[in-house]
Amino acid sequence: GQQVMQIPQYQHVQEGEDFTTYCNSSTTLSNIQWYKQRPGGHPVFLIQLVKSGEVKKQKRLTFQFGEAKKNSSLHITATQTTDVGTYFCADFSGTYKYIFGTGTRLKVLA
Amino acid sequence: GAVVSQHPSRVICKSGTSVKIECRSLDFQATTMFWYRQFPKQSLMLMATSNEGSKATYEQGVEKDKFLINHASLTLSTLTVTSAHPEDSSFYICSASSRLETQYFGPGTRLLVL
Repeated sequence: GQQVMQIPQYQHVQEGEDFTTYCNSSTTLSNIQWYKQRPGGHPVFLIQLVKSGEVKKQKRLTFQFGEAKKNSSLHITATQTTDVGTYFCADFSGTYKYIFGTGTRLKVLA
Repeated sequence: GAVVSQHPSRVICKSGTSVKIECRSLDFQATTMFWYRQFPKQSLMLMATSNEGSKATYEQGVEKDKFLINHASLTLSTLTVTSAHPEDSSFYICSASSRLETQYFGPGTRLLVL
């Protein structure tokens, strides 16, 4: 079945540094969603990307969908301590269900 | 925004007992609800997809007789973990959807089976 892998698994950064997580799928992605889960919390929807090569920005967050629709990335500029959490990508597959990526846990050191 | 509640938020039970978890969409009608399980420091694993008024569709490897799902109305779905054992201890999260491209997560239920 489809596998959605994220790298890195963990990332520790100093506050103010940039951070990027990459999402790679074994099959073509239908549409990609990104979620943030704070420690002890539940996933919160961030954004959805649908088109090949699409780039969307939310303040310090930049989301990109690969040209071949097999990968996506989330880049955070100048991280803050509030960015701490686990970031998941998820593919809303053709079988009408969500396949979550393995996640990247971000820790920001003040 | 859409609000989804889950009850209870935390439950501790003895091995062999059954636990029921409720998932409610508070301000919208959810035609589809998803049930996930998340072990510590791991990703969300889809257990089943539930559509109102029909039988749930279980993912491969998920025992339907152990994890009973009922979606009796457009605002309520329940997950019952029958004869729970310590290995069933996990974080169970539901999500609700009125349009399949968008899902809203509940706050989750932490189950600890002793």
